[in-house]
Amino acid sequence: DAMVIQNPRYQVTQFGKPVTLSCSQTLNHNVMYWYQQKSSQAPKLLFHYYDKDFNNEADTPDNFQSRRPNTSFCFLDIRSPGLGDAAMYLCATSSQQGSEQYFGPGTRLTVT
Amino acid sequence: QKEVEQNSGPLSVPEGAIASLNCTYSDRGSQSFFWYRQYSGKSPELIMFIYSNGDKEDGRFTAQLNKASQYVSLLIRDSQPSDSATYLCATRGGSQGNLIFGKGTKLSVKP
Repeated sequence: DAMVIQNPRYQVTQFGKPVTLSCSQTLNHNVMYWYQQKSSQAPKLLFHYYDKDFNNEADTPDNFQSRRPNTSFCFLDIRSPGLGDAAMYLCATSSQQGSEQYFGPGTRLTVT
Repeated sequence: QKEVEQNSGPLSVPEGAIASLNCTYSDRGSQSFFWYRQYSGKSPELIMFIYSNGDKEDGRFTAQLNKASQYVSLLIRDSQPSDSATYLCATRGGSQGNLIFGKGTKLSVKP
């Protein structure tokens, strides 16, 4: 089955210790997104790739970076996690910008 | 600032009833609307999308769009306890046509 996969599902990191979350897709979609979602809040778009073109949201902190080495994979790097970065991180894909998005299962990040 | 508004709930309905979830949006130019279901601790799952005024039905789910009133709704017929979740409304309208999500309405279906 075509799908969006995220690893790990749960990540615990220490304050200030860099962490990388990964996302892969078998849908062959052009667009990949990273969202941050905190409890009882809407998913907040951090950035997205349209193919190799990187698009950063204006209010995404510099602490967050992303890489997309190929169509299938996308990574979220948090360079120095703070306690406020504890959240669910969601990867999503779509065939085109603005079309329906399909989400992976998410990575729950805990910062100690 | 383009916005999508939803009543946070919780909306409580008895099993077998029709659940009606509502969403309003600020951008009159919005063309595409999406409903996602999100169980607690899980990721959003696409239920339906609608682009044209009127109703779109898929099984127990019906999406209704009224662009003149800037209003989109989701009806769930014969509600089941397994429908208990948060329902997110989204519209295309962010930068580069990305989706803007509402905060979601929490639905509770009581047996």
